[in-house]
Amino acid sequence: QKEVEQDPGPLSVPEGAIVSLNCTYSNSAFQYFMWYRQYSRKGPELLMYTYSSGNKEDGRFTAQVDKSSKYISLFIRDSQPSDSATYLCAYKETSGSRLTFGEGTQLTVNP
Amino acid sequence: EAQVTQNPRYLITVTGKKLTVTCSQNMNHEYMSWYRQDPGLGLRQIYYSMNVEVTDKGDVPEGYKVSRKEKRNFPLILESPSPNQTSLYFCASSRVGGSEQFFGPGTRLTVL
Repeated sequence: QKEVEQDPGPLSVPEGAIVSLNCTYSNSAFQYFMWYRQYSRKGPELLMYTYSSGNKEDGRFTAQVDKSSKYISLFIRDSQPSDSATYLCAYKETSGSRLTFGEGTQLTVNP
Repeated sequence: EAQVTQNPRYLITVTGKKLTVTCSQNMNHEYMSWYRQDPGLGLRQIYYSMNVEVTDKGDVPEGYKVSRKEKRNFPLILESPSPNQTSLYFCASSRVGGSEQFFGPGTRLTVL
């Protein structure tokens, strides 16, 4: 079983749609949960970060973590063409610096 | 400006010709890491370094070498590149224990 599974996409939605991106993980040692955004021809950048179960909001973005089900999601409200990118979930254990990444989901928001 | 730089950005080479991809960060980070990104496989860690002169293997280290002689620099060395090393390579840095890794712009390598 892979440590991290991410919905592969690609995903294409109209502008204004609500987008749901999902990942599951199997390693119980993962305690920090992140979403990185990667624009074409760029390196990934941290979008959201959380360490507890529940929801965390930042503008149009909501990160949801369910540790009991080992499931994380990223919701994008009122999606914009500028949200078109690849989104990668990432995990970290309590100690150490190593991140484990999902495969990424490519999102296109059409005007 | 805080950043991670990589050079070159694009490289086409032939099998067996040694090459080095440079990585430098100006944030005084202790932790640095190299990844390769391939379609359907995501980001896979090649090597990482916790500090100067401290390096260790990641998930896919075969065919690669690294060195960390200075805190800011972490070059990736391919002594004898092969076509299966054709990929997009990223260098990243962070504080030790930090969750935010800062990535360079990437190096697209093609080995013929």
